[in-house]
Amino acid sequence: ILNVEQSPQSLHVQEGDSTNFTCSFPSSNFYALHWYRWETAKSPEALFVMTLNGDEKKKGRISATLNTKEGYSYLYIKGSQPEDSATYLCAAASGGSNYKLTFGKGTLLTVNP
Amino acid sequence: DAGVIQSPRHEVTEMGQEVTLRCKPISGHNSLFWYRQTMMRGLELLIYFNNNVPIDDSGMPEDRFSAKMPNASFSTLKIQPSEPRDSAVYFCASSFETSGGEGELFFGEGSRLTVL
Repeated sequence: ILNVEQSPQSLHVQEGDSTNFTCSFPSSNFYALHWYRWETAKSPEALFVMTLNGDEKKKGRISATLNTKEGYSYLYIKGSQPEDSATYLCAAASGGSNYKLTFGKGTLLTVNP
Repeated sequence: DAGVIQSPRHEVTEMGQEVTLRCKPISGHNSLFWYRQTMMRGLELLIYFNNNVPIDDSGMPEDRFSAKMPNASFSTLKIQPSEPRDSAVYFCASSFETSGGEGELFFGEGSRLTVL
């Protein structure tokens, strides 16, 4: 079973603060790392999918990095806004063609105005 | 595109009854996933299909759970008999995979199941 850990479990920041959270996963047999944003009463929506060591992706104020050798990914939010409040999930895929995509339990971000 | 469509959105049933959850994936996607979301365990993968073939069902809790994908546009998750501990939100998601694991998942809105 692939063990995907996210930290912190929850985070409160003030509007305008920049923040980041961590996803760690086993580095052996790694194939892909996904980040999803999950707002209350909605479904998770994909932010990024990364596969290569050193990958860095950006979407507006949100960016993510990937280190496959040490088994971690960071998600950064610059200048947090109240609408960024959500649970951020990461998921790791391993195993090649018969892969398994396993989710962490998420980081709940609350941005106070 | 309508996205991934799940039904029913909510189901309340009594212990021992059969429950069938349905999913229509996005047209053109070749992979379909069933996840269960609970407070304790987060999102757990139950089973996934690639090109309508079950690839990994190791997450299916026990024999009371079964899933089928008779064609590329429809899948069911069945629980028989249902138990109170099955109460959860069940998500279906689909993706397009070329070599495994790199396709982003598109989730349905979920089916909230309550077993009394």
